[in-house]
Amino acid sequence: EPEVTQTPSHQVTQMGQEVILRCVPISNHLYFYWYRQILGQKVEFLVSFYNNEISEKSEIFDDQFSVERPDGSNFTLKIRSTKLEDSAMYFCASSESPSGGLETQYFGPGTRLLVL
Amino acid sequence: AQSVAQPEDQVNVAEGNPLTVKCTYSVSGNPYLFWYVQYPNRGLQFLLKYITGDNLVKGSYGFEAEFNKSQTSFHLKKPSALVSDSALYFCAVRDPNTGNQFYFGTGTSLTVIP
Repeated sequence: EPEVTQTPSHQVTQMGQEVILRCVPISNHLYFYWYRQILGQKVEFLVSFYNNEISEKSEIFDDQFSVERPDGSNFTLKIRSTKLEDSAMYFCASSESPSGGLETQYFGPGTRLLVL
Repeated sequence: AQSVAQPEDQVNVAEGNPLTVKCTYSVSGNPYLFWYVQYPNRGLQFLLKYITGDNLVKGSYGFEAEFNKSQTSFHLKKPSALVSDSALYFCAVRDPNTGNQFYFGTGTSLTVIP
């Protein structure tokens, strides 16, 4: 069964450093998402991406964050200058199409980011 | 504002007994409701969803969930729990009037005791 994959599984970085989290969505999917979960808290929506542009973003997704689909398979989340509070599990997800919200989103295993 | 509540952080149930994992929601319109399960070191796996129609939805691995509009609930159930059902369960809601993002609960850790 096709799966969303994410690399790395764990990332440790120093405050102020840039990090790039990578995701490979399911191959025929067109809609991509990033979510994060701070330890002990809810999974929170960050951004959705369709047709090479951001379609929705939350208040969390400020100027420090950016997303990109650099080629036909990868979908990346960049944090420009990491802060301690960016420490979280970051989940990538994909779905076949927007379909007005009916479609299922398929999630990757997550990248655990620790900012020191 | 849209929100999801999972009132129990931890649920323990004996193998073979029925299990229930609770979820209540708050959305402005008619909700799309989802359950996901997370096993250790794995991503969130889709279990089932309610969009419209029959209030009882059947999903993967023998799970089902009942949509109750008056109680704004979408509890996950299984008639007979297996040890392998032990995992973290997330309820999520999408309000089709406000976009495609999910709003997740905090998760419920289910432990099935042999």
